[in-house]
Amino acid sequence: DAGITQSPRHKVTETGTPVTLRCHQTENHRYMYWYRQDPGHGLRLIHYSYGVKDTDKGEVSDGYSVSRSKTEDFLLTLESATSSQTSVYFCAISATTGVAKNIQYFGAGTRLSVL
Amino acid sequence: AQSVSQHNHHVILSEAASLELGCNYSYGGTVNLFWYVQYPGQHLQLLLKYFSGDPLVKGIKGFEAEFIKSKFSFNLRKPSVQWSDTAEYFCAVNPGTYKYIFGTGTRLKVLA
Repeated sequence: DAGITQSPRHKVTETGTPVTLRCHQTENHRYMYWYRQDPGHGLRLIHYSYGVKDTDKGEVSDGYSVSRSKTEDFLLTLESATSSQTSVYFCAISATTGVAKNIQYFGAGTRLSVL
Repeated sequence: AQSVSQHNHHVILSEAASLELGCNYSYGGTVNLFWYVQYPGQHLQLLLKYFSGDPLVKGIKGFEAEFIKSKFSFNLRKPSVQWSDTAEYFCAVNPGTYKYIFGTGTRLKVLA
């Protein structure tokens, strides 16, 4: 398995509180992604990063922000959590060179419940 | 807009039955194609990929997929399923940029 660690693995929080999820990689891959997975929707891209301090929005970015201050870390922040953000969040990485080029590898996921 | 369609949302098979899961995509250019598997409670794992060359690709655990360019399809097959294949299967398309577009998934249940 690719060296991707997501933390926390489970989180229960209350509506209106800020939440930060962390993704850490040891592969030195350029691209990092945050997806959410919901029944009937598959995986939907929230934000992605193509380098340190270089990020962009995905299809469901409202209510989320990201930061990437180091190659290995990609943080997802819910500024003020809402119940609609209850989901499973997956981090993914991909490389632009080498044998892993253009293949996405996924972390174990974070199950977030917003009450 | 680019999209990936997986027509079978739920499939139930008995052990030893043959499997075929459909995947169609809408994108006219060159694409990279993937099938991922997600076992209950786990993350997505790569089953197989197609980048170029032989349109019939073989992956792990006896799975294979065939790329048919004229039909914009990349169907997943396995001749004889096992109970341990019970999982959710996702088709994904990468048009060569950062973007990966996933289908909504097919839940496969294999009865022992």
